[in-house]
Amino acid sequence: GEDVEQSLFLSVREGDSSVINCTYTDSSSTYLYWYKQEPGAGLQLLTYIFSNMDMKQDQRLTVLLNKKDKHLSLRIADTQTGDSAIYFCAESVASNYQLIWGAGTKLIIKP
Amino acid sequence: SQTIHQWPATLVQPVGSPLSLECTVEGTSNPNLYWYRQAAGRGLQLLFYSVGIGQISSEVPQNLSASRPQDRQFILSSKKLLLSDSGFYLCAWSVWGYGYTFGSGTRLTVV
Repeated sequence: GEDVEQSLFLSVREGDSSVINCTYTDSSSTYLYWYKQEPGAGLQLLTYIFSNMDMKQDQRLTVLLNKKDKHLSLRIADTQTGDSAIYFCAESVASNYQLIWGAGTKLIIKP
Repeated sequence: SQTIHQWPATLVQPVGSPLSLECTVEGTSNPNLYWYRQAAGRGLQLLFYSVGIGQISSEVPQNLSASRPQDRQFILSSKKLLLSDSGFYLCAWSVWGYGYTFGSGTRLTVV
């Protein structure tokens, strides 16, 4: 069945780059998403990439998609304390409107 | 612009009491609507989704139910709450290909 996997934690120093990785299993994915959840809040869509793209950049965020390996990554340049959050990877499949979610990666920023 | 309202933000209810959480969407028509539960601040569990008025699909068996009395209104209910119903409940809407937009969530504590 469909599955999305992420590491549970990532710890980086303030000012360094963070790279959050995600793997998925469904080769019919059409869109892949990154969401951010700050403590006690709902999920906020950060960025998304269409499955026929390899890369998407938006200010400090860079999304890389390796469709052959079914690997998605989110790079946050110059990580700040405000980037502390849980980051969810999700994929949409062509058959329905639902998203398949990863369990989330908690990004911890060290001073 | 599209917005989603979810209330209340926090709720403390005794075991055996009823529940009603409401979610409304503005600025879009015929959205897909979703109720998720997030336990222990981590993964998302899809509870219900709806593609139209009166159309509800349940993803997990439980003592919760959902209704969509109007196009942009989605209600999560229970006749008798259990301790295990405690969690963070998130409402979301989507239009195909553009990901989900989440409400700010309801923290439910059953005591």
